[in-house]
Amino acid sequence: AQKVTQAQTEISVVEKEDVTLDCVYETRDTTYYLFWYKQPPSGELVFLIRRNSFDEQNEISGRYSWNFQKSTSSFNFTITASQVVDSAVYFCALSSGYGGSQGNLIFGKGTKLSVKP
Amino acid sequence: EAGVVQSPRYKIIEKKQPVAFWCNPISGHNTLYWYLQNLGQGPELLIRYENEEAVDDSQLPKDRFSAERLKGVDSTLKIQPAELGDSAVYLCASSPLPRPGQSNNEQFFGPGTRLTVL
Repeated sequence: AQKVTQAQTEISVVEKEDVTLDCVYETRDTTYYLFWYKQPPSGELVFLIRRNSFDEQNEISGRYSWNFQKSTSSFNFTITASQVVDSAVYFCALSSGYGGSQGNLIFGKGTKLSVKP
Repeated sequence: EAGVVQSPRYKIIEKKQPVAFWCNPISGHNTLYWYLQNLGQGPELLIRYENEEAVDDSQLPKDRFSAERLKGVDSTLKIQPAELGDSAVYLCASSPLPRPGQSNNEQFFGPGTRLTVL
């Protein structure tokens, strides 16, 4: 069975601090995809990144960076120099790369990030 | 480019009443998803459409839930009759065809419909 665990329920930081959101996944598939979504207070899920299981290169996009490690089944997300606008719930998600359920997202429970000025 | 459109944004009904939610995906996106999000939880898939075909409805409670996407564009999700436990946010998402060599693509979500059943 596929599963995504986000052990951190809530994190609170002060603006300009760096923060890492953890994501651990379980799957028996050899081909799979990992995602991060942001859900601000307005409620709409915003896509941040997609990674396939064959690409373990870390990625950096501005203040955001992602660390994918297959050896530990983790796909962690770091925000550098956090800002108040980063306050949101962040979801990690997993989908299979083949079969009838390919494309279906399995979400973690989310981590609520609060960035205080 | 317009995003995924959902209506209504909020709905309050009495239990045992019917309710319907509407979703218009991003133009050109052939895959449409309906998700249910309970408070403090991640979204859970209810049904996935490829064009007008429901290719995965294994998580849809078929005794009271139904969905359709007749022309392969917009979609309606219905609950009849609604129960107290159906109070949640109903999210619609769409995605384009996967890129060559890929079997997955990112999903784009609408703002959701917040349902309250009294």
